[in-house]
Amino acid sequence: GNSVTQMEGPVTLSEEAFLTINCTYTATGYPSLFWYVQYPGEGLQLLLKATKADDKGSNKGFEATYRKETTSFHLEKGSVQVSDSAVYFCALSDIDAGNMLTFGGGTRLMVKP
Amino acid sequence: DSGVTQTPKHLITATGQRVTLRCSPRSGDLSVYWYQQSLDQGLQFLIQYYNGEERAKGNILERFSAQQFPDLHSELNLSSLELGDSALYFCASSVASAGYNEQFFGPGTRLTVL
Repeated sequence: GNSVTQMEGPVTLSEEAFLTINCTYTATGYPSLFWYVQYPGEGLQLLLKATKADDKGSNKGFEATYRKETTSFHLEKGSVQVSDSAVYFCALSDIDAGNMLTFGGGTRLMVKP
Repeated sequence: DSGVTQTPKHLITATGQRVTLRCSPRSGDLSVYWYQQSLDQGLQFLIQYYNGEERAKGNILERFSAQQFPDLHSELNLSSLELGDSALYFCASSVASAGYNEQFFGPGTRLTVL
């Protein structure tokens, strides 16, 4: 079956530090990949997506590249802000298995001023 | 604001009881998904409906059921509740059922079973 593994948190960084959150996946088909963000007390928001190999998703300074050869979709940001503090979820959607999302365990990011 | 609404925001009930969670999808979206977020299991897909019909089932217990009505809103029914059912329940919607379709999530219903 499909699965997503992401680094456990919490990740604690100082403002303006570089962020990497690792994500790897296992899929039977050719999945689309996503990063969702959950701010405290809120629902999930789509942060970025990539639908095929070598695609780079980007939004709000965050980036992730779909690497088929390493089955990875690592999230990066060059300079984090306190407002980026949230829980980040890597997820995949496999067309062959319908459109439901399979999520990783989530990584809590805490950014200190 | 994703355009997906869920009610109620919070629900506190006792073991053995039954509750109904409600979801209204974004205007124009035909597909509704239910997910459960718990400390033990993380975020798990429960069930999907498309235009009133069940399309896919995930890790949904037999005590749980769902339906999608002609106006496309959906309800998730949880019965014979146990302490372990305490979780955040999210609804998401998308335009179509298969292929790549971005899912938009509601704010969730927090269920506490005492």
